[in-house]
Amino acid sequence: AQSVAQPEDQVNVAEGNPLTVKCTYSVSGNPYLFWYVQYPNRGLQFLLKYITGDNLVKGSYGFEAEFNKSQTSFHLKKPSALVSDSALYFCAVRALNSGNTPLVFGKGTRLSVIA
Amino acid sequence: DGGITQSPKYLFRKEGQNVTLSCEQNLNHDAMYWYRQDPGQGLRLIYYSQIVNDFQKGDIAEGYSVSREKKESFPLTVTSAQKNPTAFYLCASTPLTRPVDYGHTFGSGTRLTVV
Repeated sequence: AQSVAQPEDQVNVAEGNPLTVKCTYSVSGNPYLFWYVQYPNRGLQFLLKYITGDNLVKGSYGFEAEFNKSQTSFHLKKPSALVSDSALYFCAVRALNSGNTPLVFGKGTRLSVIA
Repeated sequence: DGGITQSPKYLFRKEGQNVTLSCEQNLNHDAMYWYRQDPGQGLRLIYYSQIVNDFQKGDIAEGYSVSREKKESFPLTVTSAQKNPTAFYLCASTPLTRPVDYGHTFGSGTRLTVV
């Protein structure tokens, strides 16, 4: 069975500082990994994905994520946080060769960037 | 612009009532999904459909029903058997041609409240 863990319910960071939102996963075989962001009372918006290739993936709004197969992690990072980055972030996984089966999501991490 | 439209944005249900949440997409996506979001619990899968006239139960299907009579539409009915329906409901879709690396496209959600 596939699963995603986001160990932090809340991450607080000062504006201008680097941020990291953690994600670890469990899946049979190779994973496809995704990060989404959600603003209040809105749907989820795609940020970035890892399918194959370079372990450092760059996405929207200056975010990036590093895939680490040995640690089964896919942490989301940004070099300099903005107040507008404050939102709820979800990590998701799907196994290779699983077709268009549903993504499995973590419980989410609320990011608060303080001016 | 193509996208997923969920309606209504807010919905109030009396005890014992059935209500139907609408989800329409014009992305020509084949697979559609319904997730339920509760604070601190992330997204939990209710039902999904990979083709017209076929659908599968997710992790929390009890008290819910769906239909998929058209490719564009995947309505969700919350029945009176669902004892705690107050939540935020999200509809999503994925194309069949590139499912494994595409992730989901989400609607803006419907907030259902029992009164």
